[in-house]
Amino acid sequence: DAGVIQSPRHEVTEMGQEVTLRCKPISGHDYLFWYRQTMMRGLELLIYFNNNVPIDDSGMPEDRFSAKMPNASFSTLKIQPSEPRDSAVYFCASRPGGVYNSPLHFGNGTRLTVT
Amino acid sequence: SQKIEQNSEALNIQEGKTATLTCNYTNYSPAYLQWYRQDPGRGPVFLLLIRENEKEKRKERLKVTFDTTLKQSLFHITASQPADSATYLCAPSGSARQLTFGSGTQLTVLP
Repeated sequence: DAGVIQSPRHEVTEMGQEVTLRCKPISGHDYLFWYRQTMMRGLELLIYFNNNVPIDDSGMPEDRFSAKMPNASFSTLKIQPSEPRDSAVYFCASRPGGVYNSPLHFGNGTRLTVT
Repeated sequence: SQKIEQNSEALNIQEGKTATLTCNYTNYSPAYLQWYRQDPGRGPVFLLLIRENEKEKRKERLKVTFDTTLKQSLFHITASQPADSATYLCAPSGSARQLTFGSGTQLTVLP
């Protein structure tokens, strides 16, 4: 199993540009989570999906952020337009359903820098 | 509001000693608590889960305790090694399907 795969690993963009981050969860996992990590705020949950359906997006900072999961093997997080304060490491994580306390499997993140 | 606090300072210890990391939480009653390890440039990796009815859990050199009265979990690494240097995150949780993480404690084991 290749684990959770995120791309790109690094993204540098200018303020105002659209940014799309991608995630491939572990096959068979029913839950997918998007987190953002910064030194100031730590690891924050942005949104999570169950069986491709968004369940809780209360952590999405504002309307500039959107996430989709068109199928069980792919999810995107889009920021449009991007701002310097969006600079952070964005992690995708997945876990199986069934047992509600099963651990999360994280990807290695996308480091986003908005200049 | 719910709050999770971990050791506020980075923790430096000498190789061979026992490292003890603290996780305190307020304003909720988690049914279980998970600990993760994060290395620079990598995503967190799951280490251990302890349930509210378990006072202690062990895995090799790792030991976790869970005191629901004190609202605290302690994470111990015995016979620490430089390879144990990393940031350790706790995540108390109840019935919610999502996990909320503490800010982490950066551990450095000095040779």
